[in-house]
Amino acid sequence: AQSVTQLGSHVSVSEGALVLLRCNYSSSVPPYLFWYVQYPNQGLQLLLKYTSAATLVKGINGFEAEFKKSETSFHLTKPSAHLSDAAEYFCAVGAMDSSYKLIFGSGTRLLVRP
Amino acid sequence: DGGITQSPKYLFRKEGQNVTLSCEQNLNHDAMYWYRQDPGQGLRLIYYSQIVNDFQKGDIAEGYSVSREKKESFPLTVTSAQKNPTAFYLCASSSAAEGQPQHFGDGTRLSIL
Repeated sequence: AQSVTQLGSHVSVSEGALVLLRCNYSSSVPPYLFWYVQYPNQGLQLLLKYTSAATLVKGINGFEAEFKKSETSFHLTKPSAHLSDAAEYFCAVGAMDSSYKLIFGSGTRLLVRP
Repeated sequence: DGGITQSPKYLFRKEGQNVTLSCEQNLNHDAMYWYRQDPGQGLRLIYYSQIVNDFQKGDIAEGYSVSREKKESFPLTVTSAQKNPTAFYLCASSSAAEGQPQHFGDGTRLSIL
């Protein structure tokens, strides 16, 4: 069965610093992987998705993620953090059982210090 | 613009009362989902539906019920059997195909009076 682990429930960076949010997945088949962002009292917004076309995936708001099969990782990065990036970020993997479900990680809250 | 509408945004429930949360989508998606989110926690799947008139239990279905009479609508009822209903509820939809992202509504926050 697929699963997702997000390392670090909270990550704090300074404005302008590199953002790195970690996601490791477990899957017996090539996975579909997603990153979502959630602002307070809102729903989740899709940042980017990996569907095997390219290992480096570019998303919205300057974020990108790299799929590394050997490390079973799909870490999210952004070269320079903005104050507006403060939010909660969720990594998800497709369930691959014909249910079309997504399996979500527990989330990482990103804090951006001025 | 296409999207998912959840209503109401805030809802209060009295003890022993059933309440229904609305979820409507105009994305022409076949699949719809309900999640529960508690403070500092991830998303837990309550129910999902891949097609009209069919739905399946998720990980935490006890105390909840759903219906899927129309493609566009997937209401969730929180029954009196759900002893700890205070949470943020999110509805999502997707195309019924592998690898498709889910699109989310803005959520309903349910509290106990």
